[in-house]
Amino acid sequence: DAKTTQPPSMDCAEGRAANLPCNHSTISGNEYVYWYRQIHSQGPQYIIHGLKNNETNEMASLIITEDRKSSTLILPHATLRDTAVYYCIVRVVEYNAGNMLTFGGGTRLMVKP
Amino acid sequence: EPEVTQTPSHQVTQMGQEVILRCVPISNHLYFYWYRQILGQKVEFLVSFYNNEISEKSEIFDDQFSVERPDGSNFTLKIRSTKLEDSAMYFCAIEGVLEAFFGQGTRLTVV
Repeated sequence: DAKTTQPPSMDCAEGRAANLPCNHSTISGNEYVYWYRQIHSQGPQYIIHGLKNNETNEMASLIITEDRKSSTLILPHATLRDTAVYYCIVRVVEYNAGNMLTFGGGTRLMVKP
Repeated sequence: EPEVTQTPSHQVTQMGQEVILRCVPISNHLYFYWYRQILGQKVEFLVSFYNNEISEKSEIFDDQFSVERPDGSNFTLKIRSTKLEDSAMYFCAIEGVLEAFFGQGTRLTVV
């Protein structure tokens, strides 16, 4: 089972920031927080990941609380094309190794004009 | 972002037939995964494959399923005798440095 809890759905106005919360209160010290999204029935798309520091890339920012029990994905200026299901996943990562992703139900983000 | 191509994009097969789904990563990778998503349900892990061996598999990945990398580039998922409940989207994924990248999937419809 997924080790994360996310709200099932959220709305956001186009052009505004979308803040998607995630609870992972049982996260282990060696687990990273990952965010993926899935637009319609396409393959999940990697967005960002982090261990304990806040992270930012061209798609989004990831804010992880100091106790690592929750995090927030921020899409700074949401567009209609950001409408998707967003998945927060905790995952052990080892270099030169693979570890499966356990998907939960995610948050269905609807960006409205 | 590494590119992962899956073929076919859509396959319709009769119950009991064998199907082979293919995944072609653009660059060389060591770790591969197959996931599936039944319509309206969660994305589920099936199997991971490293260095030409299965490294992990889920309960879904029973004897009807097999994976191989026949020519060092393609990565295939075979379902020996398809059942109606095998109808789903099947996604291949490859491991990057610390991220997994997914293909666009094959929609399998068993009739």
